[in-house]
Amino acid sequence: QVQLVQSGAEVKKPGASVQVSCKASGYTFTGYYLHWVRQAPGQGLEWMGWMNPNSGATNSPQKFQDRITMTRDTSISTAYMELRRLGFDDTAVYYCARDQGAGEYAFDIWGQGTIVTVSS
Amino acid sequence: QLVLTQSPSASASLGASVKLTCTLSSGHSNYAIAWHQQQPEKGPRYLMKVNSDGSHRKGDGIPDRFSGSSSGAERYLTISGLQSEDEADYYCQTWGTHVVFGGGTKLTVL
Repeated sequence: QVQLVQSGAEVKKPGASVQVSCKASGYTFTGYYLHWVRQAPGQGLEWMGWMNPNSGATNSPQKFQDRITMTRDTSISTAYMELRRLGFDDTAVYYCARDQGAGEYAFDIWGQGTIVTVSS
Repeated sequence: QLVLTQSPSASASLGASVKLTCTLSSGHSNYAIAWHQQQPEKGPRYLMKVNSDGSHRKGDGIPDRFSGSSSGAERYLTISGLQSEDEADYYCQTWGTHVVFGGGTKLTVL
């Protein structure tokens, strides 16, 4: 079935970087944009950006533009999100999500989430 | 600026119906939205996409108890025959050049 499986939990120190992976299966990886969303403890959902797995093009809000890198390895249908210069407020659950394609950014498949804890 | 507004909380009795509202900001009343459910301690799950004309397309396996509709800048999620497992946070989502989420509505089933 169509699914996104993410990498395991991470604990990082302030100032470090974290990379989260998202492996897609059950559909054509290059056919749909992949997005990254995070949720801080007790808070709502925050969109971090999208990647076109076909071209590698990315887009993210200004808040993350200088700290986030989104890449992919099409040979293994896996997307990666790296967030640099971590601060305590980056502690969150990070999700990847697939949109419906053709410019429709409604997310119809979500990964299970990756807990990232920033702690000294 | 594209913004989605949701009431922070809602409640309804077991077996009853509830209608959750997501309001699009001025100038964006023709935008489609998506509804997502997040049960306690779980990740989000896609429920449906709701278009400005009220048509909606549900995700795989979403029960018939869930339906969507529209009126002007408002998009609705109606849940009929409430069950205990419907107690969850419900988020609406829309998109332009960027993606935007509403703040979420916490639904309590009494």
